[in-house]
Amino acid sequence: DQQVKQNSPSLSVQEGRISILNCDYTNSMFDYFLWYKKYPAEGPTFLISISSIKDKNEDGRFTVFLNKSAKHLSLHIVPSQPGDSAVYFCAAYTGNQFYFGTGTSLTVIP
Amino acid sequence: EAQVTQNPRYLITVTGKKLTVTCSQNMNHEYMSWYRQDPGLGLRQIYYSMNVEVTDKGDVPEGYKVSRKEKRNFPLILESPSPNQTSLYFCASSLYLAPNNEQFFGPGTRLTVL
Repeated sequence: DQQVKQNSPSLSVQEGRISILNCDYTNSMFDYFLWYKKYPAEGPTFLISISSIKDKNEDGRFTVFLNKSAKHLSLHIVPSQPGDSAVYFCAAYTGNQFYFGTGTSLTVIP
Repeated sequence: EAQVTQNPRYLITVTGKKLTVTCSQNMNHEYMSWYRQDPGLGLRQIYYSMNVEVTDKGDVPEGYKVSRKEKRNFPLILESPSPNQTSLYFCASSLYLAPNNEQFFGPGTRLTVL
C-alpha cells in the first residue's frame, strides 16, 4: 500500500520557467517531509525538507509547500535550469521510518 | 571524501545462492539504512540501524538480513535470493536518526537474481 504517491511519472519544463512537482500522502501520522533528487547511476541526494508544523520552506530556487488538510505537498523550482533534470522523490517520515514516493522525472529543456 | 560506498555495484546471481552486499560509510554516522528501488514502487526501506548492534525492520524486510558489528559497516545479506529480489539497492547513512538529518546515499547496487 503506497502511502506516498507521485502521480506524475514525468514532467517537461522550459528553462527559466517554474517546475512544480506534486506529492500526495495518506498517513496523517507523517511528521516530516523531504525531497530528494536523483541522477542516473547515482544515489539520491537530499534537496529540501519541511516539518509538518510548517506550510512552507524555501532554499534558494527551491520551495516546498505543505497542505496538511489536503495531505499534499509540492516542490517548486524557480527558475528551472537544465541541471535540474533528474528524478525527484518525495519522502515522508514517521515511526522511525522513511516512506518514499515513486518519483517524477523532470526534464528541463534549454 | 565523505561518502557511502557499496559493493558490488552490479551482481547477477542464481536463485538460492547466498550473497552479501557491503555498505560502508566514513562519516562516523550512527544511523544506516537499506532501501530497494523498484519501478512503480519507489524506494522502500528494508532494514535500518540506529547504532552498533541495534537493527530494526523497515517496510519490506522479508528475505533479508543485516548486521551492524561496527559503526562504519552495514552489510545486507540475502541468504537464499529469489527472482523477486531483483532490484536496485541503496545504502544510506546519517549522523543519527532524525527526519531533519540529511541521509547520504551510496551509488546503488543493481542485483539480478535468475
